[in-house]
Amino acid sequence: AQTVTQSQPEMSVQEAETVTLSCTYDTSESDYYLFWYKQPPSRQMILVIRQEAYKQQNATENRFSVNFQKAAKSFSLKISDSQLGDAAMYFCAYRRMDNYGQNFVFGPGTRLSVLP
Amino acid sequence: GAVVSQHPSWVICKSGTSVKIECRSLDFQATTMFWYRQFPKQSLMLMATSNEGSKATYEQGVEKDKFLINHASLTLSTLTVTSAHPEDSSFYICSASRPNNEQFFGPGTRLTVL
Repeated sequence: AQTVTQSQPEMSVQEAETVTLSCTYDTSESDYYLFWYKQPPSRQMILVIRQEAYKQQNATENRFSVNFQKAAKSFSLKISDSQLGDAAMYFCAYRRMDNYGQNFVFGPGTRLSVLP
Repeated sequence: GAVVSQHPSWVICKSGTSVKIECRSLDFQATTMFWYRQFPKQSLMLMATSNEGSKATYEQGVEKDKFLINHASLTLSTLTVTSAHPEDSSFYICSASRPNNEQFFGPGTRLTVL
C-alpha cells in the first residue's frame, strides 16, 4: 500500500519570504500523480499543484513550485514570496494513474503560519 | 475547475438518529465518487469508493452497515450515517472523478452528534 509522510507538523514563514514543505512517499508503482492541496480554515480542499511521475520537469504554478525527486520518492513544495493568505494546512497526496484505486492517499499535513 | 457541492454543510443530530449527506457534481458526470472522513487536526482518510449503479467499496475498518452509500446517478452520491453516536462526529468530504480521472472536492459537511 502507498504511504505519504510529511515530517513537519508545523512551519512558519515571514511574509514575502520563501518556505519549503517536505513530503516523502512510498510506492511500488512507476507511474502515478502527486499533489499538494491547501486546506484553509473553511476546510475546502484547494489544489495547489500537481505532478505526473513520468514527467521529469518540476511543476510550477506562479509562486508555487515543487522539487520532485522520483528516485528518492521526495516531493517538496516551495512557496515563494509568501503571503498572509497562504496560511493553511497543506497536504501532500498520492494517487495512482491507472483506473484502479483512484482515491487520494494523503499525508498527515503541515500547518503553515505566515508572519506579518 | 468543476464544481462539487455537499449538503448540508453543517448538521447537528441526536444520538441514535440517522443523517444523510449529499454529494453532487454540478457540471459534470462523475463516474466515481469518494467519501473521506477528517477528524480535527488530522488528515483525510478514505472511507469508501462509490461507482454509479454499483455497490460501494469500503475501506478496512469502515462499517458498511453504519455508513450507507448510494450512488444512484452520475451526479449524486449520498452517505447516510445510521444510528449516529458522538464518536461519529467528524468532517465528511466527498470528491468526484471525471472520466478523464480529474477529481474535485466538495466543501465538506461537519457532523455533530449530541
